[in-house]
Amino acid sequence: NAGVTQTPKFQVLKTGQSMTLQCAQDMNHEYMSWYRQDPGMGLRLIHYSVGAGITDQGEVPNGYNVSRSTTEDFPLRLLSAAPSQTSVYFCASSLTGTGYNEQFFGPGTRLTVL
Amino acid sequence: KNEVEQSPQNLTAQEGEFITINCSYSVGISALHWLQQHPGGGIVSLFMLSSGKKKHGRLIATINIQEKHSSLHITASHPRDSAVYICAPRLSNTGKLIFGQGTTLQVKP
Repeated sequence: NAGVTQTPKFQVLKTGQSMTLQCAQDMNHEYMSWYRQDPGMGLRLIHYSVGAGITDQGEVPNGYNVSRSTTEDFPLRLLSAAPSQTSVYFCASSLTGTGYNEQFFGPGTRLTVL
Repeated sequence: KNEVEQSPQNLTAQEGEFITINCSYSVGISALHWLQQHPGGGIVSLFMLSSGKKKHGRLIATINIQEKHSSLHITASHPRDSAVYICAPRLSNTGKLIFGQGTTLQVKP
């Protein structure tokens, strides 16, 4: 199993550009989530999904869109990048979103918005 | 007040020392994860526990559900243990993970 994969690893954008961060898992996990990690702020939940076709907002959803058309993939879209979105983004998955389930993280995408 | 409090925020130790990192939380949880993140690196789950104690090599994690407290211990610390350690309880009502601010550990040779 590849686990949770993310692409790209690094990205530089200009303000106003759009892009999609890719996330995939091959463990047949129902629950997938996106976090951003900023110095002094810890990890914050952007969006999450409890299964294909179901998504919901987390703590900091503004400026981001997600979709979950398949169990495996959970892309995160930046609609119009802003310098405040400079961060490290982590995708994560677990079998379900409840109870006693191991949590797996992707390697992260380091995004800089100029 | 944060729902998850970790202490200490920063910790410097000499190689071989016994290390304890504490995590207190104020919400109902179904499980608690301890995560490790090396500088510039990804996040790895070290432990998931809902009661009692777990041991993996030199690492030990304990949780007291009644007191809403968990600890991560490192015995015979080594410079390769230098990393950020993050406490992450899973909320029992929503299933979401919440995160402590992390403890930055530096182990000097």
